[in-house]
Amino acid sequence: DTAVSQTPKYLVTQMGNDKSIKCEQNLGHDTMYWYKQDSKKFLKIMFSYNNKELIINETVPNRFSPKSPDKAHLNLHINSLELGDSAVYFCASSLRAAETQYFGPGTRLLVL
Amino acid sequence: AQSVTQLGSHVSVSEGALVLLRCNYSSSVPPYLFWYVQYPNQGLQLLLKYTSAATLVKGINGFEAEFKKSETSFHLTKPSAHMSDAAEYFCAVSAFGNEKLTFGTGTRLTIIP
Repeated sequence: DTAVSQTPKYLVTQMGNDKSIKCEQNLGHDTMYWYKQDSKKFLKIMFSYNNKELIINETVPNRFSPKSPDKAHLNLHINSLELGDSAVYFCASSLRAAETQYFGPGTRLLVL
Repeated sequence: AQSVTQLGSHVSVSEGALVLLRCNYSSSVPPYLFWYVQYPNQGLQLLLKYTSAATLVKGINGFEAEFKKSETSFHLTKPSAHMSDAAEYFCAVSAFGNEKLTFGTGTRLTIIP
């Protein structure tokens, strides 16, 4: 039983396309996150939702739009993909804000 | 604001030798500190965390870390390295009660047979 799952695992697409990444957690957690890991393995938080409410929005281009239909899901939609968006995107969740975060396996996005 | 510095982007140790991965933090408020491990092509797994209780924290897979406020450090150690320890290790900090986790740049640990 996967605690935090992401789909797809790999995503290869052309510049200018729009794509979505889905995340689901079955841990009953209230808080979910999106992180971006670049080619140098640097991890940076992008967004955080608590009970479907946006609580962290780091300086991310507005081409990135998170959506949380319910507490167990946090999806990431990316418009007009650019080469620099190529990265690994990790979803994470925690019981409450500031509690231990549990990470999904990542989605490897390659923009050509 | 919080920040983390990991000294050494690459560390190599022989199998059976001591593992020491360095992490220094900066925080204007009492910090929570974490070590995560990332195996190739996988997500991050929590090794251990410090949340203002005991300063010596024991984690999974034989790892431990000691919080030293005077040195603003949270170094990760393991007495005897195993081949399966080869991975990327990340130190992270958050402020007390704050959900934002700030990561260091990671240290790649290589184990020499």
